[in-house]
Amino acid sequence: EDQVTQSPEALRLQEGESSSLNCSYTVSGLRGLFWYRQDPGKGPEFLFTLYSAGEEKEKERLKATLTKKESFLHITAPKPEDSATYLCAVQATGGTSYGKLTFGQGTILTVHP
Amino acid sequence: DAGVIQSPRHEVTEMGQEVTLRCKPISGHNSLFWYRQTMMRGLELLIYFNNNVPIDDSGMPEDRFSAKMPNASFSTLKIQPSEPRDSAVYFCASTALTGASTQYFGPGTRLLVL
Repeated sequence: EDQVTQSPEALRLQEGESSSLNCSYTVSGLRGLFWYRQDPGKGPEFLFTLYSAGEEKEKERLKATLTKKESFLHITAPKPEDSATYLCAVQATGGTSYGKLTFGQGTILTVHP
Repeated sequence: DAGVIQSPRHEVTEMGQEVTLRCKPISGHNSLFWYRQTMMRGLELLIYFNNNVPIDDSGMPEDRFSAKMPNASFSTLKIQPSEPRDSAVYFCASTALTGASTQYFGPGTRLLVL
């Protein structure tokens, strides 16, 4: 069974204080690892897809990296508007998955000014 | 482009009443997913469809829950009868099955059963 574990559950940072969020996963075969951002009262918003170990993607202050067992979301010099819940999900290979995602519990990030 | 559309955005009902949630996926997407999100259990997959056909409903909590997708642009999730423990945010997501398929989420329906 596919499993995703995110840590920490919650992270409080000062504005400008860089840090990383972790996503550990177990999957029979990885088709893709996804990062989403969710603001209160809204649906998850897609950020990145990573496909293979060693891959990195960047968007503004965010950089996602992938190894064979985990992914990191690095946040450089965060701002208060980066405060949100960050969700990690995996999609397994296999002909019958039809795009099914297995999500972690999320990390609640709060950035104080 | 319009994203995934869900209605209603908020629903307050009394225990025992029937609740119907609606979803319009992104045009051209052929897979649709229904999720439930609570603080305790996070984001749970309830059921998903491919080309309007239900593929896996193992996440549906019990027989009170049912979902349909009569055509490519509309799906419903029905709870009958509703119970207080059904209170949650219900999300619909859609994707086009090409490679690693990104799911795009709607804004959700916040359901409160009194």
